[in-house]
Amino acid sequence: DTGVSQNPRHKITKRGQNVTFRCDPISEHNRLYWYRQTLGQGPEFLTYFQNEAQLEKSRLLSDRFSAERPKGSFSTLEIQRTEQGDSAMYLCASSLQGARNSPLHFGNGTRLTVT
Amino acid sequence: QQQVKQSPQSLIVQKGGISIINCAYENTAFDYFPWYQQFPGKGPALLIAIRPDVSEKKEGRFTISFNKSAKQFSLHIMDSQPGDSATYFCAASKPGGGADGLTFGKGTHLIIQP
Repeated sequence: DTGVSQNPRHKITKRGQNVTFRCDPISEHNRLYWYRQTLGQGPEFLTYFQNEAQLEKSRLLSDRFSAERPKGSFSTLEIQRTEQGDSAMYLCASSLQGARNSPLHFGNGTRLTVT
Repeated sequence: QQQVKQSPQSLIVQKGGISIINCAYENTAFDYFPWYQQFPGKGPALLIAIRPDVSEKKEGRFTISFNKSAKQFSLHIMDSQPGDSATYFCAASKPGGGADGLTFGKGTHLIIQP
């Protein structure tokens, strides 16, 4: 399977704990995006990378969130001091060019539950 | 501020019927309008997309109709099949919007009854 891979698929954590998610994009894609999706809503943009450079962060991405893509390949999204409001599906997507010129390929997401 | 409004929230259509999902946008700078399909437990997948230089785009059983003056666009699924049961999201983006500025609607949960 050469699609976008996300791990873990599910994560349950207690409030205040730190969590880290991993995304492996399609290998030749240089753009990588993180989105958040809550029940009954469409995906909301969090941040994106062009190769290893993080080019934009949404206002949704509080200081407790940090994302990296150290070698321009896989990416990690860390949430520190989790809150119940962080419970959501975190989606990673990659594309060869920008989404206006080539499709975003989404992974199947990591579902985070904060208790 | 919700920039892309999608309706209906849920839709039930008989097999073989036409499914119609509507979206309206506010920002006249939007110039790219994709539709994404999402099955339970999966990420969204691009279904079809349109730019405002055309009023309609058809790919197989899926058609986008675009009305620039009304700032509306819709997805039509002809001969709807049970396998089309999924959540559909419209989206819009504008040039220079950063991260391609994709703004998604809230989604329509479509059920095709056999």
